[in-house]
Amino acid sequence: DTGVSQNPRHKITKRGQNVTFRCDPISEHNRLYWYRQTLGQGPEFLTYFQNEAQLEKSRLLSDRFSAERPKGSFSTLEIQRTEQGDSAMYLCASRKPGPGDHEQFFGPGTRLTVL
Amino acid sequence: DAKTTQPTSMDCAEGRAANLPCNHSTISGNEYVYWYRQIHSQGPQYIIHGLKNNETNEMASLIITEDRKSSTLILPHATLRDTAVYYCIVRVGSYTGANSKLTFGKGITLSVRP
Repeated sequence: DTGVSQNPRHKITKRGQNVTFRCDPISEHNRLYWYRQTLGQGPEFLTYFQNEAQLEKSRLLSDRFSAERPKGSFSTLEIQRTEQGDSAMYLCASRKPGPGDHEQFFGPGTRLTVL
Repeated sequence: DAKTTQPTSMDCAEGRAANLPCNHSTISGNEYVYWYRQIHSQGPQYIIHGLKNNETNEMASLIITEDRKSSTLILPHATLRDTAVYYCIVRVGSYTGANSKLTFGKGITLSVRP
């Protein structure tokens, strides 16, 4: 257990439905990342927050995806009008603010299955 | 960020050293080498990182060649619990904006056999 939690751990939904995932980072970590991982591939970067500011979004993040971190603590990732291609593991990671802190701590992920 | 090349898979016997190679021939002077691993159905786990010098921690050792174009992660006494996908990542050591994300490849699958 890294201290980063994600909920739910598994989500099955029908195509066209909206889903929302939550990530609770380690409390003193001001940097938060979302990644997506499909079967047989390494994780791919989606978006990055420093405190409540969303500083970078990948081109993978279509208009149907939105992420928030309203008070600089937990974060949510919402997918609207889900498609079968959205089926993947969604991973959250957090990191300390200091320049000497290189390590990203990953949560266990939320596995999304779109039927 | 520079691209890395890793073999697809390797195996080793339990108790023996596992040496995992990584090529990063286009690495820049300000880019670090990071290793993460991912055990089945878990999130990735940080192992070690280095810039120029060899590094060692409680999990592993990282050997970086003098020209920095390749590196080797060494697990000195592999156990069955070390069976995982190991990712070698090269990234600048900056901490804001575009430079803070990790770019994963497919990694190398290490299988430790009894």
